[in-house]
Amino acid sequence: DAKTTQPPSMDCAEGRAANLPCNHSTISGNEYVYWYRQIHSQGPQYIIHGLKNNETNEMASLIITEDRKSSTLILPHATLRDTAVYYCIVRVNFYNQGGKLIFGQGTELSVKP
Amino acid sequence: KAGVTQTPRYLIKTRGQQVTLSCSPISGHRSVSWYQQTPGQGLQFLFEYFSETQRNKGNFPGRFSGRQFSNSRSEMNVSTLELGDSALYLCASSSGHEQYFGPGTRLTVT
Repeated sequence: DAKTTQPPSMDCAEGRAANLPCNHSTISGNEYVYWYRQIHSQGPQYIIHGLKNNETNEMASLIITEDRKSSTLILPHATLRDTAVYYCIVRVNFYNQGGKLIFGQGTELSVKP
Repeated sequence: KAGVTQTPRYLIKTRGQQVTLSCSPISGHRSVSWYQQTPGQGLQFLFEYFSETQRNKGNFPGRFSGRQFSNSRSEMNVSTLELGDSALYLCASSSGHEQYFGPGTRLTVT
């Protein structure tokens, strides 16, 4: 699986968009970008995933650069409840690799009032 | 749909003992993965079971083992506990791209 690099921490004002970057310069053509988050003392929560197109769901948007070497997770209107550690993971899809996720250190996002 | 459940939620054991943790996946999910989370090492993959067979394995000693039953429920066992096994043990079930995690079992080894 390709390695990812994320900033260790970020701050965001409540109500503003939170933009969390992830570098994955060695990503292969068949590898997806997944985002999970972990709120303190809870199990990680799936947010979104994508292959090459930008994706949006009710929680967030995922923007993947054209060369696929980096991506940005966007929380459009961050709330205090979005304070968590955010993990960017690159891997082939479930049907080829199963449920193995390799977590890095993630980005600790603090949303402040 | 009920989420992933793990029992027990908290456990205190003594060095040298063994422990069994249980995970009930979301109905219909055949894949169950286990992870260990510690402050020093972060979230680390232990193993994954799919249709009662171990499909993936992480880099943990043989003291860590697991199994999956025909109803997809899974158990993991740690034998000869060491102080360093104190951690949050998480299981996750999946049927596709998304993995759904349980609340975890907090194991303390004294």
